[in-house]
Amino acid sequence: DAGITQSPRHKVTETGTPVTLRCHQTENHRYMYWYRQDPGHGLRLIHYSYGVKDTDKGEVSDGYSVSRSKTEDFLLTLESATSSQTSVYFCAIRTTGPEAFFGQGTRLTVV
Amino acid sequence: QKEVEQNSGPLSVPEGAIASLNCTYSDRGSQSFFWYRQYSGKSPELIMFIYSNGDKEDGRFTAQLNKASQYVSLLIRDSQPSDSATYLCAVPGGKNQAGTALIFGKGTTLSVSS
Repeated sequence: DAGITQSPRHKVTETGTPVTLRCHQTENHRYMYWYRQDPGHGLRLIHYSYGVKDTDKGEVSDGYSVSRSKTEDFLLTLESATSSQTSVYFCAIRTTGPEAFFGQGTRLTVV
Repeated sequence: QKEVEQNSGPLSVPEGAIASLNCTYSDRGSQSFFWYRQYSGKSPELIMFIYSNGDKEDGRFTAQLNKASQYVSLLIRDSQPSDSATYLCAVPGGKNQAGTALIFGKGTTLSVSS
């Protein structure tokens, strides 16, 4: 258990509303990532962070922003949710090795 | 952009057989390779990873690398119904700090019948 908690676990929201997903880790690791997983597309990187206030874009960053004001929290915001952002969102961290460990996921539905 | 390709399956094997899952990668310079298992509705969990310097065995699982052909295999011996899941292959990305982020294939679904 890498000590990763995602919240909320499930959310239904309306098109056009902002949504924030939270990823919390208990062990102060430097690298954190947000992925989305969709049928036919697999896991795709949205944004990542390599330290407090240090973030950068991944493969599918349009429509998303992130913030990391504390080592333990990495927030993903959908500025104005669209139906195409209906997905399962996973947070991941790197610990001491090269491998990534995943949180439980957040299932987001935009109606 | 690095790419990882996997046959989506499903790959069906009988209980007790050897399941062989493959993935191909685009960057000849990739140095490490990761296999994850994902049960339906759950998050990916790491099974094992290998470096480019050799294969690795862990219990019923063996990861093998063929650098010349740029593919990595995961062999599951004595397959069990509990091995039925989607298996994801990944390599580290290479863009700046995203070199730390893993790039995933779309996964291969394995079904083990009893």
